[in-house]
Amino acid sequence: AQSVTQLDSHVSVSEGTPVLLRCNYSSSYSPSLFWYVQHPNKGLQLLLKYTSAATLVKGINGFEAEFKKSETSFHLTKPSAHMSDAAEYFCVVSVGPSGGSYIPTFGRGTSLIVHP
Amino acid sequence: EADIYQTPRYLVIGTGKKITLECSQTMGHDKMYWYQQDPGMELHLIHYSYGVNSTEKGDLSSESTVSRIRTEHFPLTLESARPSHTSQYLCASRGPQPDTQYFGPGTRLTVL
Repeated sequence: AQSVTQLDSHVSVSEGTPVLLRCNYSSSYSPSLFWYVQHPNKGLQLLLKYTSAATLVKGINGFEAEFKKSETSFHLTKPSAHMSDAAEYFCVVSVGPSGGSYIPTFGRGTSLIVHP
Repeated sequence: EADIYQTPRYLVIGTGKKITLECSQTMGHDKMYWYQQDPGMELHLIHYSYGVNSTEKGDLSSESTVSRIRTEHFPLTLESARPSHTSQYLCASRGPQPDTQYFGPGTRLTVL
């Protein structure tokens, strides 16, 4: 079984300040973990993914996330928020044999609000 | 860049009408998914497919049906639309490696 918990439904920051979006997961096997971003009225876009390589993963638009197995966490960070970062962010966990079948589990989403 | 398409992008329709939401991908991916998402809310998996002639229901009960006759095409049909079907519908696909899902832009459905 697998599950994912996004600890904050809303995060509000000022432009130019750091961003932290928190995600905890549970999984019976070594997971693959993803962060997606969704802008209003758009589909989901992949920000970054962890698939058992380096624990610090760099993504697009200056985002990065660190896989911490001991804490079962995969928090998303960015050093300096930009107005265009305002969006909904989803943490996703999936497990399964390489190339095999699996159903990804989505978190409930965190809405990032960026103030000027 | 992912190549997955959904049509229409927006649809307003009356109660009782039959509708089909189209989803196509040109990446040759075997696995495809349909999600339902209300505004500002989480995604709910309603259907998925592991390949041609394979379809399964997801976690969220849905009155919709799907078919997978061709690898690239995964349409979703509502036989009789109701206002409770008003939502955004997102289609996704995934290849064998890596695990990444690629999402279409979504169809926003409004049933009056």
